[in-house]
Amino acid sequence: GAGVSQSPSNKVTEKGKDVELRCDPISGHTALYWYRQSLGQGLEFLIYFQGNSAPDKSGLPSDRFSAERTGGSVSTLTIQRTQQEDSAVYLCASTFAGTVNQPQHFGDGTRLSIL
Amino acid sequence: GQQLNQSPQSMFIQEGEDVSMNCTSSSIFNTWLWYKQDPGEGPVLLIALYKAGELTSNGRLTAQFGITRKDSFLNISASIPSDVGIYFCAGRDFTGTASKLTFGTGTRLQVTL
Repeated sequence: GAGVSQSPSNKVTEKGKDVELRCDPISGHTALYWYRQSLGQGLEFLIYFQGNSAPDKSGLPSDRFSAERTGGSVSTLTIQRTQQEDSAVYLCASTFAGTVNQPQHFGDGTRLSIL
Repeated sequence: GQQLNQSPQSMFIQEGEDVSMNCTSSSIFNTWLWYKQDPGEGPVLLIALYKAGELTSNGRLTAQFGITRKDSFLNISASIPSDVGIYFCAGRDFTGTASKLTFGTGTRLQVTL
């Protein structure tokens, strides 16, 4: 499709399990971002990938969170040993970073529920 | 994480009324963006502002980049029911390249007939 695609759209899992969330950015977009949105809250930055540069991981809340971006395209956000406070909507965004002011385009998110 | 102060938190207005919401920050930004989020969907970009003092329109929407670089407002004229949703401001600072945005806390808009 033409937009950012995220899967799954919903994920329910038990506390302590690991989860993987996937993001397919818009074709040709070199920058990819992960955000977390808790219920009724704004978006919280998690991690940012730009081309082959080292990712900006400054927003990851703990070492249980990690992300990869393979081949400069698809990204996977992994949460290990999930906790109930990890329940949120995880949003991915991409942009063409050829110029500094390109706005980000968002996917519809993955709603994660930890039981 | 850091967030911008966005007000009001929610608005309940009648169709046809004008709406105004704003965002303030203690930090200077070089880009301001306004997004709208519908339930179950990701935020969709409405307006992007790149220059202090800039006033930009998109249909019934008008947004301005504050001259101090620390604030922005969004106006919606003649509101209609499909304007319902959550509106977020977002700022990008000088230290970033194409880096992370800082988001406001959102304004929930409800429109009645």
